[in-house]
Amino acid sequence: DSGVTQTPKHLITATGQRVTLRCSPRSGDLSVYWYQQSLDQGLQFLIQYYNGEERAKGNILERFSAQQFPDLHSELNLSSLELGDSALYFCASSVVGTGYSPLHFGNGTRLTVT
Amino acid sequence: AQKVTQAQTEISVVEKEDVTLDCVYETRDTTYYLFWYKQPPSGELVFLIRRNSFDEQNEISGRYSWNFQKSTSSFNFTITASQVVDSAVYFCALSEADKLVFGAGTILRVKS
Repeated sequence: DSGVTQTPKHLITATGQRVTLRCSPRSGDLSVYWYQQSLDQGLQFLIQYYNGEERAKGNILERFSAQQFPDLHSELNLSSLELGDSALYFCASSVVGTGYSPLHFGNGTRLTVT
Repeated sequence: AQKVTQAQTEISVVEKEDVTLDCVYETRDTTYYLFWYKQPPSGELVFLIRRNSFDEQNEISGRYSWNFQKSTSSFNFTITASQVVDSAVYFCALSEADKLVFGAGTILRVKS
């Protein structure tokens, strides 16, 4: 068990809808990352937060947004969903940045858009 | 930008065979970190090892070993005496600033 908790495990929704994915990092970890895993794109970095502030942005669509709250949990909001957004979304946490410690991943949220 | 190449898309072996998973990386950084992760059929990503660019010593952990060669920009992973439970997707990753860049992964199938 990595200590990173993601909810829900599965999500099925229709095109055009909005969903929120939730992540609780490991105790003591200040940094949260979101990754998207799809068959055609592999593991893609979306966004990183450190202690409540956005630190790095990757290939995140404008329809997607995220935030990290004072208790360090994070939410990833996906709106105007399209079929192509179907993927496994991972949250990961680390103490600071990857140079100091590895990322510890949650079990992922599998999103299916129909 | 950093790049990680795992040229082997899929490997099939029979139990007890040794298998090596290749990883080649590109970076302009002088200090960087390399990682291996395992994704079993259940889907979670499990951290296996981290290596920094200044430490070229090979590492062995049970049946797992890693060979880091800076001269060829490679960080290969060998499983000795493979077991069915080793069946998974294995990802090599490289640090870029504060995030990880992943390779496409290698599917390892170990048959009994």
